[in-house]
Amino acid sequence: QKEVEQNSGPLSVPEGAIASLNCTYSDRVSQSFFWYRQYSGKSPELIMSIYSNGDKEDGRFTAQLNKASQYVSLLIRDSQPSDSATYLCAVLLNYGQNFVFGPGTRLSVLP
Amino acid sequence: EAGVAQSPRYKIIEKRQSVAFWCNPISGHATLYWYQQILGQGPKLLIQFQNNGVVDDSQLPKDRFSAERLKGVDSTLKIQPAKLEDSAVYLCASRWVGGGTEAFFGQGTRLTVV
Repeated sequence: QKEVEQNSGPLSVPEGAIASLNCTYSDRVSQSFFWYRQYSGKSPELIMSIYSNGDKEDGRFTAQLNKASQYVSLLIRDSQPSDSATYLCAVLLNYGQNFVFGPGTRLSVLP
Repeated sequence: EAGVAQSPRYKIIEKRQSVAFWCNPISGHATLYWYQQILGQGPKLLIQFQNNGVVDDSQLPKDRFSAERLKGVDSTLKIQPAKLEDSAVYLCASRWVGGGTEAFFGQGTRLTVV
């Protein structure tokens, strides 16, 4: 099992819809989780971080964490064409020693 | 606050040549990472430094790749000799060592090996 896994995508949603991105991780002791957005040809940029079970909201973005299920998700409400990008899940593994990324999910928001 | 600086932005070399990339992390960030990102894939960790010591280099192809971080600040990543499959974007990132803070990325170096 890979350390961090994501839906392979691509994921296409119409403008205004909710986009749901999922991520699972293998390390039970992980405490810190991050969602990055990467536009084509650009570097990853942080969207949200989450450390506690439950939901964390920031504008149109909501991160959800379930440590028992080793699952973290990102919801994007009212999706816009400008949200079209690759979304990378990152986890601090091995007691915070390793910052590991999943393979990414490519999202396309169709006008 | 200045971000992570990387150079060069682009590099084209022939196979079997050597190449070096440079990274200057955010001031005060003790942890520095080098990632390799092949088109369509997520970043793959090559090496992680804490100050000037190596924490993890388990995925670094040591027969051709080397990295150093002198004085715990700037870092260089070298490939010698390069192979076609080394064509990728090489990303440098840094993190403050305390807590579960995020990593900040430089703009990356796009390497093309022909």
